Amino acid sequence: SYVLTQPPSVSVAPGETARITCGGNNIGSKSVHWYQQKPGQAPLLVISYDRDRPSGIPDRIFGSNSGNTATLTISGVEAGDEADYYCQVWDSSSDHWVFGGGTKLTVL
Amino acid sequence: QVQLQESGPGLVKPSETLSLTCSVSGTSISSYYWSWIRQPPGKGLEWIAYIYYSVETNYNPSLKSRVTLSIDKSKNYLSLRLRSVTAADTAVYYCARVSSKYGANTDWGQGTLVTVSS
Repeated sequence: SYVLTQPPSVSVAPGETARITCGGNNIGSKSVHWYQQKPGQAPLLVISYDRDRPSGIPDRIFGSNSGNTATLTISGVEAGDEADYYCQVWDSSSDHWVFGGGTKLTVL
Repeated sequence: QVQLQESGPGLVKPSETLSLTCSVSGTSISSYYWSWIRQPPGKGLEWIAYIYYSVETNYNPSLKSRVTLSIDKSKNYLSLRLRSVTAADTAVYYCARVSSKYGANTDWGQGTLVTVSS
C-alpha cells in the first residue's frame, strides 16, 4: 500500500518560513491535499490539488509537489499557525485514500 | 453554507456495532461525495470510507470487512456502521464533504468521540 511520510515536528520562529514535507513514491504524479488541525478542532482544508487555496486561506500558505516530495510552505509564520498538518492523496493503483502521519508545527 | 453534524452513542461495548449518522444541511446529499474519517486519541487521521449517492462506495481495506456506509436521501443524512468493535476503534469520528473521489475533504463536521469499553 502507498505510504506518505511526514516529519513528526517542525519548529520555526515567528515571521520565518515553515516548510512541511510529505514524502511518497512518485508523489509528484498524484494530487496532494493538506489539512490544518488545531487542538480540539476538526481538520481544515488549506491546500487542495497540490497548490489550490480554498476561500479564506491566506496566500502566505502555499503548496508544491514534485518528484517524491510535496511541500506545504507557510511564510511569515504566526502564532495562530501552530497546529498539526496532514497531507493526503488518492492512490490510483489501489483506488484508496492515504493520509500522512501528520506534522506538529511549533511556533517558537 | 454547508453544515455537517455527527451523532451517535459515545460508548460502545466490545464486539458490538458502532452506528453513527451525519446530518447534512445547506446542500443536497445527492450532489457530492461524502467521507468518514477517524482519529484515535493523540494520533493521526485515518480514512474509513467514502460514498457517492449510494452509487459508489470505497472502503479502507483494513476496515472493509466491518464497515457499511449508506445514504438516506429523503432525510439528507449519511450513516456509518462498524461491526465487531474493539478498543482500537476508539476515536473521534468525522464526516466530511468531498470535492471528488480524488479526496479533497472541503467541509467537516465537528466530530464525535466514540469510546469502546465494557
